[in-house]
Amino acid sequence: SQQGEEDPQALSIQEGENATMNCSYKTSINNLQWYRQNSGRGLVHLILIRSNEREKHSGRLRVTLDTSKKSSSLLITASRAADTASYFCATFLLEYGNKLVFGAGTILRVKS
Amino acid sequence: GAVVSQHPSRVICKSGTSVKIECRSLDFQATTMFWYRQFPKQSLMLMATSNEGSKATYEQGVEKDKFLINHASLTLSTLTVTSAHPEDSSFYICSAIGAGGEDYGYTFGSGTRLTVV
Repeated sequence: SQQGEEDPQALSIQEGENATMNCSYKTSINNLQWYRQNSGRGLVHLILIRSNEREKHSGRLRVTLDTSKKSSSLLITASRAADTASYFCATFLLEYGNKLVFGAGTILRVKS
Repeated sequence: GAVVSQHPSRVICKSGTSVKIECRSLDFQATTMFWYRQFPKQSLMLMATSNEGSKATYEQGVEKDKFLINHASLTLSTLTVTSAHPEDSSFYICSAIGAGGEDYGYTFGSGTRLTVV
């Protein structure tokens, strides 16, 4: 299975702190994507990093990718209560068709 | 940006009846649509991939006759849960990509909460 694993499963921090979530996967990839899901809602695409990229930034988000370790991390800096959500990594590999395979997700709670 | 509309957002049906969920791409042509199922506090499990005008490709363990998928146009895919039972109660989410979309991230619908009583 290509499905990734994420850690931690749950993370609770204070507003203003940084939150780091990690994702590991099993096979080679073309790209890795991070998504956010608010409770009972659909997923929102946050950021995509290609296999030949090592780091990418978008606003308060920073994503790293280490293909040798088959792992990625998502850092949210200066967290806000509104960042409270579930975060999922998803891998894309062309050989598997164009489907995404999702990790287990991290539930982030930011306390104000 | 790309928008995917999913309806209904919530549905309650009686056991044995069928329920249809629609997924529409509003501002782009979706060459491929995906249907996922999500149990509480769990990740998304891909059920099937559908390409416009062709039969859907189902993941292992997903019953084709129970979860009927139709992708009749480049902007609409439907998932019909036939003869629903309480164990089919779940959160169903669709996503869509257009040509080359796999390089830019997928767009998801807002999900459908199905409760079978």
